[in-house]
Amino acid sequence: DTAVSQTPKYLVTQMGNDKSIKCEQNLGHDTMYWYKQDSKKFLKIMFSYNNKELIINETVPNRFSPKSPDKAHLNLHINSLELGDSAVYFCASSQFPGQGTSSNQPQHFGDGTRLSIL
Amino acid sequence: DAKTTQPNSMESNEEEPVHLPCNHSTISGTDYIHWYRQLPSQGPEYVIHGLTSNVNNRMASLAIAEDRKSSTLILHRATLRDAAVYYCILRGGTGKLIFGQGTTLQVKP
Repeated sequence: DTAVSQTPKYLVTQMGNDKSIKCEQNLGHDTMYWYKQDSKKFLKIMFSYNNKELIINETVPNRFSPKSPDKAHLNLHINSLELGDSAVYFCASSQFPGQGTSSNQPQHFGDGTRLSIL
Repeated sequence: DAKTTQPNSMESNEEEPVHLPCNHSTISGTDYIHWYRQLPSQGPEYVIHGLTSNVNNRMASLAIAEDRKSSTLILHRATLRDAAVYYCILRGGTGKLIFGQGTTLQVKP
């Protein structure tokens, strides 16, 4: 059973289109994340949700809108796709990191969605 | 967010121990030291974490300097499957993982 699953695995689309990436976790975690890995392989956090509430938003353009229908799902919708959006997007989940000893909760990552903009 | 410094790349022979260093001179008292690795075409995978004491698990050991300004991830017997990018990350109360460039480990048969 896959712990964190993302769909689709590959997404090829034209500039200007709107697309969504779905993420589901079956680990019973209450916190989910989206990361972006660019062509230089740098991984950067974009968003984090805890119990459907946004807790981290790392200055990502408004064209990116995360949606969490429940704590097991965190979807990423991207409007008006641009060439610079081409990257691999990773979803992750963990128990709420909180403070102190809670901040050692490991994150579990999906295998990524490779988005290519033509 | 406190920063970490790692060598860009390292090589090892199969079945030999590997010591992956990490410097984090600006670490704060509450930062945990986490290690993740990313195998080709996969998402990052948690390896180990620690605060002050050395830690062991089934994947690796983590040796933390007494002043906590550096740490070393130890793979006791490298296998070809351990070839990956290894990230040393300081994690504070926000829970954010700030990834650096990591160390690309090559394992030679």
